[in-house]
Amino acid sequence: NAGVTQTPKFQVLKTGQSMTLQCAQDMNHEYMSWYRQDPGMGLRLIHYSVGAGITDQGEVPNGYNVSRSTTEDFPLRLLSAAPSQTSVYFCASSDRSSGDYGYTFGSGTRLTVV
Amino acid sequence: RKEVEQDPGPFNVPEGATVAFNCTYSNSASQSFFWYRQDCRKEPKLLMSVYSSGNEDGRFTAQLNRASQYISLLIRDSKLSDSATYLCVVEGSSNTGKLIFGQGTTLQVKP
Repeated sequence: NAGVTQTPKFQVLKTGQSMTLQCAQDMNHEYMSWYRQDPGMGLRLIHYSVGAGITDQGEVPNGYNVSRSTTEDFPLRLLSAAPSQTSVYFCASSDRSSGDYGYTFGSGTRLTVV
Repeated sequence: RKEVEQDPGPFNVPEGATVAFNCTYSNSASQSFFWYRQDCRKEPKLLMSVYSSGNEDGRFTAQLNRASQYISLLIRDSKLSDSATYLCVVEGSSNTGKLIFGQGTTLQVKP
């Protein structure tokens, strides 16, 4: 099991560019989420999904899109990058069927928008 | 008021000390509670889930007080390797999958 895999690990974008952060898990987890972590702010939920074909907005969804066409993949799209989106992005997944609702996190993508 | 509040610390303790972290949450309908550990520039890792009856895992003990909307984590016999940021995490009501994170409490264990 690879767990939760995020790519790329580092990215520099110019303002206005678009890109997709990839997230894949091989644990057949139903729930997946995207968070951003900024200094002094803690982790904040961007979008989440409770299963393939189902997504919903979290606390800070503006400027981001998601889709969940398969159980394994949950990509995060930045539509038009802004310096305020400079952050560390974490993807996470959870197996609800086990009764333990803890999330497993990927190693993160460090994004800088210049 | 933040949904999940923690004392950010830092807590500086000597090896072998016992240290306690506290956390309060605002949504009384919250159903699931966790403590995560995050090392510098790394991803959060689940330390333990918190159950109503309280639970223990080695040197770590977690307690939940639903009436006071309060969660605690006790670390006994602190090790240098316990130095990290500890995140209090609460899931919203109705099995939403939405985790709300506290800002974290930083622990530094010194020799």
